[in-house]
Amino acid sequence: NAGVMQNPRHLVRRRGQEARLRCSPMKGHSHVYWYRQLPEEGLKFMVYLQKENIIDESGMPKERFSAEFPKEGPSILRIQQVVRGDSAAYFCASSLGQQETQYFGPGTRLLVL
Amino acid sequence: QKEVEQDPGPLSVPEGAIVSLNCTYSNSAFQYFMWYRQYSRKGPELLMYTYSSGNKEDGRFTAQVDKSSKYISLFIRDSQPSDSATYLCAMTHSGAGSYQLTFGKGTKLSVIP
Repeated sequence: NAGVMQNPRHLVRRRGQEARLRCSPMKGHSHVYWYRQLPEEGLKFMVYLQKENIIDESGMPKERFSAEFPKEGPSILRIQQVVRGDSAAYFCASSLGQQETQYFGPGTRLLVL
Repeated sequence: QKEVEQDPGPLSVPEGAIVSLNCTYSNSAFQYFMWYRQYSRKGPELLMYTYSSGNKEDGRFTAQVDKSSKYISLFIRDSQPSDSATYLCAMTHSGAGSYQLTFGKGTKLSVIP
């Protein structure tokens, strides 16, 4: 009974490179959320997706960040041309429905050199 | 003023002590309140969920909500070394966008054997 899976767990990128973070929701869950946890800060909502649809991306930076949740496969959070300020822990959560409990994955820790 | 304020600690207590963790919030629209536990390098795990003023008990954990004061608490009785973790309060409102959880920064707790 696997929970939310995220990979990689740790990712190191140099400034200007691309980072791709993957999230596989819990079995049966079709609602996925991405949160970012900057050092010394609380988790901040980024984006909410259902299969093939972005429902709410109001928390996403306007540039360089994108997210998708294709019909098949994991949800992807993509950061283009990373900068040092992107260094953070990125958590994915999934739920059975929009109003249901969100279950979090272990996170991907991104370090930008 | 941040929407959710939480003392980051660290808080260190001896085994068996009663622990009190607190959050204050400014947005009176918040109606649903959660406490998550996050072990080092892991994702947040839901501990308690409540939506009404008053107390909710689950084993050694009691969640307390005072909506008039915009103040929530988590009490841990008979604390154990395994309770050592960071505790995050989270909250949301009802209606559109309620999936966006707003988190406190977290309080780091150490229970000393």
